[in-house]
Amino acid sequence: QSALTQPRSVSGSPGQSVTISCTGTSSDVDAVSWYQQHPGKAPKVIIYDVTKRPSGVPDRFSVFKSGYTASLTISGLQADDEAEYYCSSYAGTYPVIFGGGTQLTVL
Amino acid sequence: QVQLVQSGAELKKPGASVKVSCKGSGYSFSEYYIHWVRQAPGQGLEWVGWINPRTGGANYARKFEAWVTLTRDTSITTAFMEVSKLNSGDTAVYYCGRLAGSYIDLWGQGTLVTVSS
Repeated sequence: QSALTQPRSVSGSPGQSVTISCTGTSSDVDAVSWYQQHPGKAPKVIIYDVTKRPSGVPDRFSVFKSGYTASLTISGLQADDEAEYYCSSYAGTYPVIFGGGTQLTVL
Repeated sequence: QVQLVQSGAELKKPGASVKVSCKGSGYSFSEYYIHWVRQAPGQGLEWVGWINPRTGGANYARKFEAWVTLTRDTSITTAFMEVSKLNSGDTAVYYCGRLAGSYIDLWGQGTLVTVSS
């Protein structure tokens, strides 16, 4: 079973942009989704099918994929963006895998 | 209202079993796979397995397949996860989630299972 690798933590000031990387195999990042989790809450999907945003998720959240890495960029940082972020991959024929999670701190 | 509602927190002794429920409402329960994900205290998300509510077929992460059983009862639109032979390492919040294509679009509120003597 493959793995998705994320940085343990990133930080930024309000209004700035931060990027969280997610590195796996080529097939893993072809079906990547991203989840935001606030403390004590269930995860919430913010990106699916690599670059798509569910309704209600602002376009401040975007993803760029290159090779074996998908990178989530959050622009115009807000206090409420402080959370744990997980990338995940599921192509339907093998187990779901999650990255280890990245703690975003808004300074 | 489209939602998944899980059963309440459980306190179990080592070696016991626990059965967590996940009731879907507001949508066609049989049309969406239900996934289970656990999160140990201070740790990341860990996929446990999924069940196809229509057929009852299930798939498990390799580390859980020996002691986790996923079932469902479509008459009450509820999925169940039973974990046997509990040990302290199973202390976690267990989430159920509805799969929409390749991602989980709807999550339950989570069920805390605490294993302690």
